[in-house]
Amino acid sequence: SQTIHQWPATLVQPVGSPLSLECTVEGTSNPNLYWYRQAAGRGLQLLFYSVGIGQISSEVPQNLSASRPQDRQFILSSKKLLLSDSGFYLCAWSVRILAGTYNSPLHFGNGTRLTVT
Amino acid sequence: KNEVEQSPQNLTAQEGEFITINCSYSVGISALHWLQQHPGGGIVSLFMLSSGKKKHGRLIATINIQEKHSSLHITASHPRDSAVYICAVKGSGATNKLIFGTGTLLAVQP
Repeated sequence: SQTIHQWPATLVQPVGSPLSLECTVEGTSNPNLYWYRQAAGRGLQLLFYSVGIGQISSEVPQNLSASRPQDRQFILSSKKLLLSDSGFYLCAWSVRILAGTYNSPLHFGNGTRLTVT
Repeated sequence: KNEVEQSPQNLTAQEGEFITINCSYSVGISALHWLQQHPGGGIVSLFMLSSGKKKHGRLIATINIQEKHSSLHITASHPRDSAVYICAVKGSGATNKLIFGTGTLLAVQP
């Protein structure tokens, strides 16, 4: 069966510090991968998605970046965190049935609650 | 006006009641997703559908493509169904975007 691992579960970081959140998927190959952020009281905001190794699409300009060094690994990074980066970060994957994304059900990780102080 | 509208925004029900959450959208779509977000933040995909009706346990999702409307029904509701339910649509055509509704906060009281 497929599983998705996301860590850490919670993180408190000072402003200006770097960030690295990691997400790995097991039990499937060539998935579509997504990073979402949910600010307090807000809906889900897509940050990045990837349809293959090294292929990253950014939805929202910001000081975050994403990388996909391996087929089932998706990393969200920042060189210098801002207060506005606080939020709940979710990694998700879906089976790539057709070209593009969201053509199959989404599977979410448990999320990382990031507080930038 | 949002491209995906959910109603109601908040819903309080008594245990055992039949619950309906509605989702209306204004764009052509190729797929519609229903998601459930628990109080701790974790999100579970409930359904993905592009036509007709799907059922899983006490949950039923329907979609009417012509009317651009989907409903999520919960039969015999239980306090553990308390969560935020989110509707999201993928537009038709060459898009890689999922448009999210603002969610419906459901509280089922014992």
